Amino acid sequence: QKEVEQDPGPLSVPEGAIVSLNCTYSNSAFQYFMWYRQYSRKGPELLMYTYSSGNKEDGRFTAQVDKSSKYISLFIRDSQPSDSATYLCAMRAFQGAQKLVFGQGTRLTINP
Amino acid sequence: DTGVSQDPRHKITKRGQNVTFRCDPISEHNRLYWYRQTLGQGPEFLTYFQNEAQLEKSRLLSDRFSAERPKGSFSTLEIQRTEQGDSAMYLCASSYFGTRGYTFGSGTRLTVV
Repeated sequence: QKEVEQDPGPLSVPEGAIVSLNCTYSNSAFQYFMWYRQYSRKGPELLMYTYSSGNKEDGRFTAQVDKSSKYISLFIRDSQPSDSATYLCAMRAFQGAQKLVFGQGTRLTINP
Repeated sequence: DTGVSQDPRHKITKRGQNVTFRCDPISEHNRLYWYRQTLGQGPEFLTYFQNEAQLEKSRLLSDRFSAERPKGSFSTLEIQRTEQGDSAMYLCASSYFGTRGYTFGSGTRLTVV
């Protein structure tokens, strides 16, 4: 079993829809949670960074962490065609830990 | 500051050949990371440097792989006796102590034929 599980999709939604992306994990030591966006032929780009449980909002993006369920989510409101990309969740165990463990990535397409 | 730069962008090599990739991190970043990403998968950690010291290596980094960061600036990743299973995107990232996230480069795509 992988430490981090993410539905690979693909996920296709119309422009303006609310998108929900999710990851589950098995390692209870994970404390820092990230979402990265990766366009085709590019490296991942950090979107959201959260510590422990709770919500964090940044513009159209909201990240949620539920440590009790070992479940994290990313919501995208008012989705745009430019949001079409692969979204990767990532996590690490403690402040000094350098290794990130990534999910498989979800390929998202926003249709105009 | 032009971000993390990786060279070459794409490398095609024959099985059994040696290849070397270069990464130039953001200039003020003291930490440098190498990850490998295969098609349809997330990046997997390979190794990490703080300045010139290689502080952590994954079990994925077999003895055919070696990474260096000789003066704490650019880094090289060498793969000896390449195998078809080495075909992947090799991503470099850098960060500064105390910052939260990495900045990734665009990667080097290796194809072993």
